[in-house]
Amino acid sequence: AQKVTQAQTEISVVEKEDVTLDCVYETRDTTYYLFWYKQPPSGELVFLIRRNSFDEQNEISGRYSWNFQKSTSSFNFTITASQVVDSAVYFCALRRWTDKLIFGTGTRLQVFP
Amino acid sequence: SAVISQKPSRDICQRGTSLTIQCQVDSQVTMMFWYRQQPGQSLTLIATANQGSEATYESGFVIDKFPISRPNLTFSTLTVSNMSPEDSSIYLCSARGGEKLFFGSGTQLSVL
Repeated sequence: AQKVTQAQTEISVVEKEDVTLDCVYETRDTTYYLFWYKQPPSGELVFLIRRNSFDEQNEISGRYSWNFQKSTSSFNFTITASQVVDSAVYFCALRRWTDKLIFGTGTRLQVFP
Repeated sequence: SAVISQKPSRDICQRGTSLTIQCQVDSQVTMMFWYRQQPGQSLTLIATANQGSEATYESGFVIDKFPISRPNLTFSTLTVSNMSPEDSSIYLCSARGGEKLFFGSGTQLSVL
């Protein structure tokens, strides 16, 4: 079965704190893709990153970084020096060899000034 | 990247009526999809909109309730038929552009 678990339903931090959003996935496939999306209060889904199962290299993009560990089936997302504009719901998602995305339940991040 | 325009952005509808949501992509894409996001929930795939043929529906979704059209490689519509309050959700169109999956801004539907 394919499944994505985001155990943190809601996280609150104060601006400039670092925060890590957890994502654990389940799949029997050897080839798959992992995604993170941001959904701000306006509702649209903003693509953040895609990682394929053969690429375990961690990635950093500005204040964002992602830690992919196949050994623990995790794809965690860290925001460094959080800002109020980071407040949103963040979704982790899994895609198999088809194009269907399986989403986690999302983590609502609130960053307070 | 693909830019997806979706309309209407929101609507309030009466029970028993139908609403058609339009999705326009600014470039030709191979795959288009429709998702539903119920209040406070995650996204669930309704169907894959196939160009020139019938849509492929996920378990729990049927064509009579959610008819989908895709007349070309840049446009699709989703109709929510015979609506009930349980259909109140955000409906999102998405399209595959290269290896990325892009989403429209969603249609927030409220059924009274």
